[in-house]
Amino acid sequence: DIQMTQSPSSLSASVGDRVTITCRASQSISSYLNWYQQKPGKPPKVLIYATSSLQSGVPSRFSGSGSGTDFTLTISSLQPEDFATYYCQQSYSTLRTFGQGTKLEIK
Amino acid sequence: EVQLVESGGGLVQPGGSLRLSCEASGFTFSSYEMNWVRQAPGKGLEWVSYISYSGSLIYYADSVKGRFTISRDNAKNSVHLHMNSLRAEDTAVYYCAREELEVFDYWGQGTLVTVSS
Repeated sequence: DIQMTQSPSSLSASVGDRVTITCRASQSISSYLNWYQQKPGKPPKVLIYATSSLQSGVPSRFSGSGSGTDFTLTISSLQPEDFATYYCQQSYSTLRTFGQGTKLEIK
Repeated sequence: EVQLVESGGGLVQPGGSLRLSCEASGFTFSSYEMNWVRQAPGKGLEWVSYISYSGSLIYYADSVKGRFTISRDNAKNSVHLHMNSLRAEDTAVYYCAREELEVFDYWGQGTLVTVSS
């Protein structure tokens, strides 16, 4: 199975900060990388698909980049509603796997 | 409006069985692949199983292979997860998720499965 490793596991930041979350795959996954946001008690919501494509309705402050094994999710200017947990997911393999999550908290 | 509604969760003893269902509406169900994803209390997301449009292709995570069975009924717009030989570590909220172009674009609200004596 392809292992996905996110860093950091948790992050404290302030409103207006620029934040970057990293995701590393255990083997090359080309651009088959998606990012999801989850708030407590809610299902995940897709933010970015295929590494860098913004899902419809998602604010443009979210962006993604990378290829092969290394990927990043960037939030250009944190808003109060962005404090949540973020997961990467590879869709290269038929056995889909998620990263362990990055919890973004208010400083 | 796309809706996915899971049901069938509850308390079950170790070694027991449970059948989860996910009823879909608001889209042409037979045109989409479907998945089950679970989340143990306070933990991250774990992909569980995938089923193709017609049900001809099925995949499972190693952690549930041989114990769980995914199926779908396109006439009833539903996907199911039959869970046997349940263990304490299967305790989680189980979500069904629609897949389009390798993305899980819609999720249900989840159903809680608790495995405990």
